Amino acid sequence: KQEVTQIPAALSVPEGENLVLNCSFTDSAIYNLQWFRQDPGKGLTSLLLIQSSQREQTSGRLNASLDKSSGRSTLYIAASQPGDSATYLCAPTTIKLNSGYALNFGKGTSLLVTP
Amino acid sequence: GAVVSQHPSWVICKSGTSVKIECRSLDFQATTMFWYRQFPKQSLMLMATSNEGSKATYEQGVEKDKFLINHASLTLSTLTVTSAHPEDSSFYICSARDLGGADYDTEAFFGQGTRLTVV
Repeated sequence: KQEVTQIPAALSVPEGENLVLNCSFTDSAIYNLQWFRQDPGKGLTSLLLIQSSQREQTSGRLNASLDKSSGRSTLYIAASQPGDSATYLCAPTTIKLNSGYALNFGKGTSLLVTP
Repeated sequence: GAVVSQHPSWVICKSGTSVKIECRSLDFQATTMFWYRQFPKQSLMLMATSNEGSKATYEQGVEKDKFLINHASLTLSTLTVTSAHPEDSSFYICSARDLGGADYDTEAFFGQGTRLTVV
């Protein structure tokens, strides 16, 4: 069973700082990994998708890396802004018998960026 | 990206009644949709995988008779919480993948979620 751990659980930083959010997973046989953002009481917004054959993906101020063999991914946020405040979730995709390609979630990192 | 619409966004119901939640893929077809449940400050837990035209696959510990799933078309899956009780109060979220090329290569998109409160 895939176990996903995200560190830190919570993070509070002043605006402008560069951040690194960490994700580790126990089953390295993944097909891809997604990073999501979840605002309070809302659904999930997909930020980045990294295929298992890729090392990293970039979108604007976000950069995600993947080290599949060691079961790790990091999300780098450059020049953080108050609007980045949210919970960030990483979710590797693994195959589940009869369930297709399911996402497995950790508890996320709750980020607060103060003005 | 692709859009997944979930309705309603919130619902309050009396204990013992049933509630239906809809999940629609608006601009793509999804043979498979996933239903998750999230308790406060907890991770999303997969409840079941909904397959178009066939029975849903439930995760261990999820009662299939309580959480009825119907995936009648390639763009619609429904989750019905039957005889709801206060302990069923939670945040329910659906997800679907745009088939694209190979299914497992594609990005998963999520609905807005439904906050269910059973009183």
